[in-house]
Amino acid sequence: NAGVTQTPKFQVLKTGQSMTLQCAQDMNHEYMSWYRQDPGMGLRLIHYSVGAGITDQGEVPNGYNVSRSTTEDFPLRLLSAAPSQTSVYFCASSRGLAQFFGPGTRLTVL
Amino acid sequence: EDQVTQSPEALRLQEGESSSLNCSYTVSGLRGLFWYRQDPGKGPEFLFTLYSAGEEKEKERLKATLTKKESFLHITAPKPEDSATYLCAVQAAGQNFVFGPGTRLSVLP
Repeated sequence: NAGVTQTPKFQVLKTGQSMTLQCAQDMNHEYMSWYRQDPGMGLRLIHYSVGAGITDQGEVPNGYNVSRSTTEDFPLRLLSAAPSQTSVYFCASSRGLAQFFGPGTRLTVL
Repeated sequence: EDQVTQSPEALRLQEGESSSLNCSYTVSGLRGLFWYRQDPGKGPEFLFTLYSAGEEKEKERLKATLTKKESFLHITAPKPEDSATYLCAVQAAGQNFVFGPGTRLSVLP
């Protein structure tokens, strides 16, 4: 099992550009989520999904979109990147309560 | 509002010097408290889930305990490879996970 995979590992964007962060898991987990991690602030939930076709907002959803067409994939879209979205992004999946995280995407918005 | 705080922010230990990390939480209807380890440049790695006050879990040199207001991660005779950031998170009934800011542990040889 590859677990949770994320691409790309690093990305630099200019203000106003859009992009999609990819996340995939091969554990057949129903629950998937996206977090951002900023220094001193812990992980903050952006969006989550409890199954294919079902998504909902977390604590910091503004500026991000998600969709869940399959159990395996949960992409995160930045609509118009802003410097405040410079962060490290983690995708996670779970069955039951314990979450398993991907390796992260480090995003810089200039 | 659910809250999780962790102390200390950073901790430096000599190899073999045992200590504890603290996670304090305020949440209604705790479903679970979680400990993760995070190495630099990597995603958090799941360590333990605790469900109710009085519960304890152990893994190698780590032991996690839970009371109604806080959890401790005890590290016995740590080694340099235990150096990492340790994250605590809680989940309440019907709510999403809330993470603390973490404790950065350095174990010096």
